[in-house]
Amino acid sequence: GAVVSQHPSWVICKSGTSVKIECRSLDFQATTMFWYRQFPKQSLMLMATSNEGSKATYEQGVEKDKFLINHASLTLSTLTVTSAHPEDSSFYICSARRGGAWEQYFGPGTRLTVT
Amino acid sequence: GQQLNQSPQSMFIQEGEDVSMNCTSSSIFNTWLWYKQDPGEGPVLLIALYKAGELTSNGRLTAQFGITRKDSFLNISASIPSDVGIYFCAGHPYNNDMRFGAGTRLTVKP
Repeated sequence: GAVVSQHPSWVICKSGTSVKIECRSLDFQATTMFWYRQFPKQSLMLMATSNEGSKATYEQGVEKDKFLINHASLTLSTLTVTSAHPEDSSFYICSARRGGAWEQYFGPGTRLTVT
Repeated sequence: GQQLNQSPQSMFIQEGEDVSMNCTSSSIFNTWLWYKQDPGEGPVLLIALYKAGELTSNGRLTAQFGITRKDSFLNISASIPSDVGIYFCAGHPYNNDMRFGAGTRLTVKP
């Protein structure tokens, strides 16, 4: 168990448009989901934490109006990159955690390229 | 932000050799986790540790939760080419969310 999917796996969009990335826990209920960003050859950088039905908590320096997070159900969280710019190009990875547990299970990631 | 020191940053080894990497923190952690990330994919959980002194194996992988609660190590025995990837340690300080190490990039030469 503990499978997390992400969709799409890669996306190319034009500057100024918005892109939505979905994260789903397929075989468990995720009370908490996390969104990370990863630059080449670097570790994961936590962007925000979301609990089902609550507003996301953003890390310092992450613009909440630019990276909209919705955690509408116990199996789905979405990240919308609004008015994307080339510097938003990155690898975005979500993870999910069961209630009462510390382990996070990661999705396969989404490669975003903004042209 | 990162509060973990992971070393080494990279390793180049011959197939069949054993590998050891470790993580240290400045604060006490109540959980240590080890992940492996292949290129272009998300990290996969290898081993989770919950108690100081705990030693856990997963096939050729062995990890330990340090007695001081401020460190953990991961060993890989008899490495094979598919062990190539980036290994991340992660841990939870009490009542805080997970922190990641910078990763150890492992290259295995056949």
